[in-house]
Amino acid sequence: EIVLTQSPGTLSLSPGERATLSCRASQSVSSSYLAWYQQKPGRAPRLLIYGASTRATGIPDRFSGSGSGTDFTLTISRLEPEDFAVYYCQLYGNSLTFGGGTKVEIK
Amino acid sequence: EVQLVESGGGLVQPGGSLRLSCAASGFTFSSYWMSWVRQAPGKGLEWVANIKQDGSEKYYVDSVKGRFTISRDNAKKLLYLQMNSLRAEDTAVYYCARENGAVAGIDYWGQGTLVTVSS
Repeated sequence: EIVLTQSPGTLSLSPGERATLSCRASQSVSSSYLAWYQQKPGRAPRLLIYGASTRATGIPDRFSGSGSGTDFTLTISRLEPEDFAVYYCQLYGNSLTFGGGTKVEIK
Repeated sequence: EVQLVESGGGLVQPGGSLRLSCAASGFTFSSYWMSWVRQAPGKGLEWVANIKQDGSEKYYVDSVKGRFTISRDNAKKLLYLQMNSLRAEDTAVYYCARENGAVAGIDYWGQGTLVTVSS
């Protein structure tokens, strides 16, 4: 079973700053099956990135994904007030696996 | 517009049973894998189970195997999760979700239904 470990657990940043979130897999995975989601309090998650680097429909271009093998990164180039949320990476297959999440909070 | 609407959550005693339903609309339900994903209070997302378009394949997270059963009725566009032998650790918001192979992920989520297991 592949485990996804996200770091850091919490990221404290100011609006306008750059956010870099990490997702590490316990073994090499296909980047085609790595996705990122955003979740705000009391809301369902929203798909941001799929295939490690492709933005989902309607996602602003300040969000970008990269990585391969075991190391993947979600970058938010300039944080907007609405970007403060929890972010999860996810591996797709017969079963789905989520990372533990990274909370991006206002500093 | 794609919509997924869960129902059936509530308070149940440990060892009890509950059946969740998810009504789908706005898309061809029978063409998609469907999942249940849960989130315990203040915790992260945990995938619970999924089911193939025709119901011929089902997968479960280890912690619910033998206790939960996922099923679907394509004619009625309904997804179900039968939960038996419930434990306190099953307390969570349960989301119905549409898997999309084209994006290798979940592209639509319901609003969630809360299941509380407590005496």
